[in-house]
Amino acid sequence: GDSVTQMEGPVTLSEEAFLTINCTYTATGYPSLFWYVQYPGEGLQLLLKATKADDKGSNKGFEATYRKETTSFHLEKGSVQVSDSAVYFCALSIYNQGGKLIFGQGTELSVKP
Amino acid sequence: DAGITQSPRHKVTETGTPVTLRCHQTENHRYMYWYRQDPGHGLRLIHYSYGVKDTDKGEVSDGYSVSRSKTEDFLLTLESATSSQTSVYFCATGEILGGEQYFGPGTRLTVT
Repeated sequence: GDSVTQMEGPVTLSEEAFLTINCTYTATGYPSLFWYVQYPGEGLQLLLKATKADDKGSNKGFEATYRKETTSFHLEKGSVQVSDSAVYFCALSIYNQGGKLIFGQGTELSVKP
Repeated sequence: DAGITQSPRHKVTETGTPVTLRCHQTENHRYMYWYRQDPGHGLRLIHYSYGVKDTDKGEVSDGYSVSRSKTEDFLLTLESATSSQTSVYFCATGEILGGEQYFGPGTRLTVT
């Protein structure tokens, strides 16, 4: 079935370090791909999205490119800040199943000053 | 932000009691969803709605029912709560099928 796999956390980085969080997916159709971020005690916020192959989503310095050939959607940021500390979720949407989102298990990021 | 509120935000209840969680949206989105979040599982879909009175099951629907009598409200009911239903519950809305979803702040439910 359709699924999303993320790299396990927690990931601990120093401020201004480069961030990569790996995400790969399995899907029978042509899903849209998303990254969501969850700050402590809050709901999920959409960080970025890509709807077709080779699309690059970007927001707040974060980027991810929809790679159909490798079924990947890795999240990157060139210089992380303490305020980026959160849990990051990769997800795909299934159009023919009510548009539901299928999530990875989440990756906790901790950025130290 | 899609203007989504959830109530209650926290609830502790006993095994065997019925519980209803409410989701309210102000954006007039057609699609609404209930997910549960558990450690190591990300979020999993319980039920969803594609219009007033139109609902369908998700992957973890056993023990849950839903109702949508108005566009803005989507209720999740645990008919007889069990300890395995201790979780954080999130409501989400979507304007376009297969598009991004907007999440509420969550309800933390503890079943003792």
